[in-house]
Amino acid sequence: EIVLTQSPATLSLSPGERAALSCRASQSVSSYLAWYQQKPGQAPRLLIYDASTRATGIPAKFSGSGSGTDFTLTISSLEPEDFAVYYCQHCSSWPSLTFGGGTKVELK
Amino acid sequence: QVQLVESGGGVVQSGGSLRLSCAASGFTFSGHGMHWVRQAPGKGLEWVAFIGYDGTNKYHADSVRGRFTISRDNSKNTLYLQMNSLRGEDTAVYYCAKTLGGGNPTTDCWGQGTLVTVSS
Repeated sequence: EIVLTQSPATLSLSPGERAALSCRASQSVSSYLAWYQQKPGQAPRLLIYDASTRATGIPAKFSGSGSGTDFTLTISSLEPEDFAVYYCQHCSSWPSLTFGGGTKVELK
Repeated sequence: QVQLVESGGGVVQSGGSLRLSCAASGFTFSGHGMHWVRQAPGKGLEWVAFIGYDGTNKYHADSVRGRFTISRDNSKNTLYLQMNSLRGEDTAVYYCAKTLGGGNPTTDCWGQGTLVTVSS
């Protein structure tokens, strides 16, 4: 079973700064990786799928990169509404979903 | 627009049963596989079960296999999760989620969730 490890667990940044979140897979997942944003009391929202494809309605400030075992979600310039928890996800054994442990982006 | 509305959560004693429902609208329900995903209080996301677009193919996580059963009624645009022999570790918010489609199991829309609390 593939394990997804996200780092850091918490990222403390200020509005306007750039955020880079990492997701590392225990073995290659090709480009089959997605990213979600979750705010308190809300359901997760899909941001990126297939490593770099933005989901419908997701602004260009969110970008995904990587392939194989190392992936990055970048938020180009943080706005107040971007402070949230972010999860990466892979389908390691179709169709089951495997999630990373999450990275919390908090206000510094 | 796509809407998923879960219901059926509540407080149940250990060993009891609950049936969750997820009413879907705004898309062709019968054309998409569907997932249940749960989140224990203060914890991360855990996949629970998946069902194919026509209900033929069903998959369950090891942690719930033999106790939970996913099903769907395409005539009612509704997804279900029958949960039996509930345990304390099943306490969580349960979300239904729609797949992207085209064989991609990634989810692109989630409901607001329904809370299941298993008491001892």
